Amino acid sequence: SYVLTQPPSVSVAPGQTARITCGGNNIGSKSVHWYQQKPGQAPVLVVYDDSDRPSGIPERFSGSNSGNTATLTISRVEAGDEADYYCQVWDSSSEGVFGGGTKLTVL
Amino acid sequence: EVQLVESGGGLVQPGGSLRLSCAASGFTFSSYWMSWVRQAPGKGLEWVANIKQDGSEKYYVDSVKGRFTISRDNAKNSLYLQMNSLRAEDTAVYYCARDQGDVYAKWFDPWGQGTLVTVSS
Repeated sequence: SYVLTQPPSVSVAPGQTARITCGGNNIGSKSVHWYQQKPGQAPVLVVYDDSDRPSGIPERFSGSNSGNTATLTISRVEAGDEADYYCQVWDSSSEGVFGGGTKLTVL
Repeated sequence: EVQLVESGGGLVQPGGSLRLSCAASGFTFSSYWMSWVRQAPGKGLEWVANIKQDGSEKYYVDSVKGRFTISRDNAKNSLYLQMNSLRAEDTAVYYCARDQGDVYAKWFDPWGQGTLVTVSS
């Protein structure tokens, strides 16, 4: 089945820009979705269809997807953005696939 | 407000069975595909299964095929997951989620708060 690869961790200082990558074979041909999960809470959708934001998600969250890499970008990072982030695609075999997750640490 | 509330989790012995439920409210349940997604302790997310609006199509991750059955009751706005022949590796928080998108690109929004299933002797 399709495999998505994320870095285990990313660290960034407050106010800076965090970029979390999600690698997959020709992932640019798929729609990529991103979730934020804080400790003890359910995941929350922050970006869908590569770069669209659900209502209520700050404009600081953006996404892109091309070639073999999709990227979630968080601008002007705040302490409250510290969380695990997961990318996800829907495979052609009719199953959901998640990346392994990336822990974002705000220094 | 769109809400999903799971129930039915608990401690079960290896080889045992458990039935999870998810009560939906705040949207037209019968209009959406629905999914179950699980998360083992300290691990990442794993999609488990989903079901079409009328229950006519169901898909499963390979690791649960033949053991888990997803179903729904649109009259009761409820989603279910019947889990049989449970293994230690099925230990996880199980989330109910609403599918969005189309057959080529689905995502999950919103999610319930989850229910913990522990398989242990």
